[in-house]
Formats: sequence, C-alpha cells, structure tokens
Amino acid sequence: DGGITQSPKYLFRKEGQNVTLSCEQNLNHDAMYWYRQDPGQGLRLIYYSQIVNDFQKGDIAEGYSVSREKKESFPLTVTSAQKNPTAFYLCASSNPGGFTGELFFGEGSRLTVL
Amino acid sequence: RKEVEQDPGPFNVPEGATVAFNCTYSNSASQSFFWYRQDCRKEPKLLMSVYSSGNEDGRFTAQLNRASQYISLLIRDSKLSDSATYLCVVNEQRGQGGKLIFGQGTELSVKP
Repeated sequence: DGGITQSPKYLFRKEGQNVTLSCEQNLNHDAMYWYRQDPGQGLRLIYYSQIVNDFQKGDIAEGYSVSREKKESFPLTVTSAQKNPTAFYLCASSNPGGFTGELFFGEGSRLTVL
Repeated sequence: RKEVEQDPGPFNVPEGATVAFNCTYSNSASQSFFWYRQDCRKEPKLLMSVYSSGNEDGRFTAQLNRASQYISLLIRDSKLSDSATYLCVVNEQRGQGGKLIFGQGTELSVKP
C-alpha cells in the first residue's frame, strides 16, 4: 500500500537535545511538507520541498532543519534552538503534475520535551 | 487578524441535526479552498474542495463567497461518525505544491 510513514510516533526528549523525525513516502510525490500542530491551533508550516535537493522555509522554520536528498525522504530535525518544541508534527506530500489541494499526511509524531 | 479564521467550537448537536461551519480568510488573492476532517489525535484528511458555484457530496455542502472572503460547510442529518474537527484550508499559491493555510478547526460532537 502506498502512503506516508512517520517515525517515531511518540518521542520524549530532554531540553538541549536535538531530535530527528523521519518521514518516508512511496507515493512518488514531488512535494513534501512538515507541519506543526498545537492544541486548539491550526497546522503551521515549518518547511516544504517541491523537488529533491531543494526546500523552503515555512512560517515557523526557526529552530528546525530539513534535508531532501531523496525523493522519498524528508526528515525534520528539531534542534535545541527551538524554544517550545513539544507538539504534534505532521509530514505530508502532494501529487505531481499540479496541486489539487489534497495533502496526504502521515500519522504524525508526538514530541514531548521533558 | 488570522489568515484563516473559523467559528470557535465545540459544536454539540444531536444525531440528525443540521450544522453549519463558517470560515473567513484574509488574503483576497487566495487560489483555492478546502475542508479537511481531523479525527481525535489523528492526521487530517481531505473532506472536499470548495468551488465558487458551491458543491455537494452526499450530506455535505460547501460554499464559497469570494467577495466576502467566506467559506461554509453544511452537514445535514448528522451521524455519530461525523464527530471530528473540521479544518478550513486556503491555498495561497499557484502551481506545484501550493501553500496551504489551515484554520484552527471547529470541533463537532454528535450525540445520540
């Protein structure tokens, strides 16, 4: 089955540690995205990539980094510079050949900083 | 002003009720519009696109008013399974990838 796989589902981190969230897709999608969701708030865009080896900052990129070395993979690193990293992180991808508005999401990763 | 703003919830309705959600957006150049559904602690999924002429999918009707920068979603004959958070989503960018702006969501709880 095609889809997006995020790991880990749950992650606990001590303050000052970097952590990397994995996102893999086998949908052959060109565009991939990382969003953050906090309780009672909409999804906010962290980074997005429309093609391999290229990515753009979203609205809240500070304290995060990404890479896009392969079409299938778009890992997100939450660095110690991110002041409030506890959140639900969602990775998504979209169809090639023109954007239809449908993002395909992974099941998300819940990060808790202790 | 938020870029995409939705009715604050939660909406608590009995089965069979009709419920309407409203959404406004601030960028008049926005290209396209959508409603997504998000179940508790799950990922969002596309419910339906919203077209200028209005569109219907079974019990769900979506409408767009570009002049007022307003989007609505009407659910008729509510089912228990409709309980979820409904996200209003606006695409601000043309071309490959898009730039989706999400509202904060309106929670719906349908009771027996």
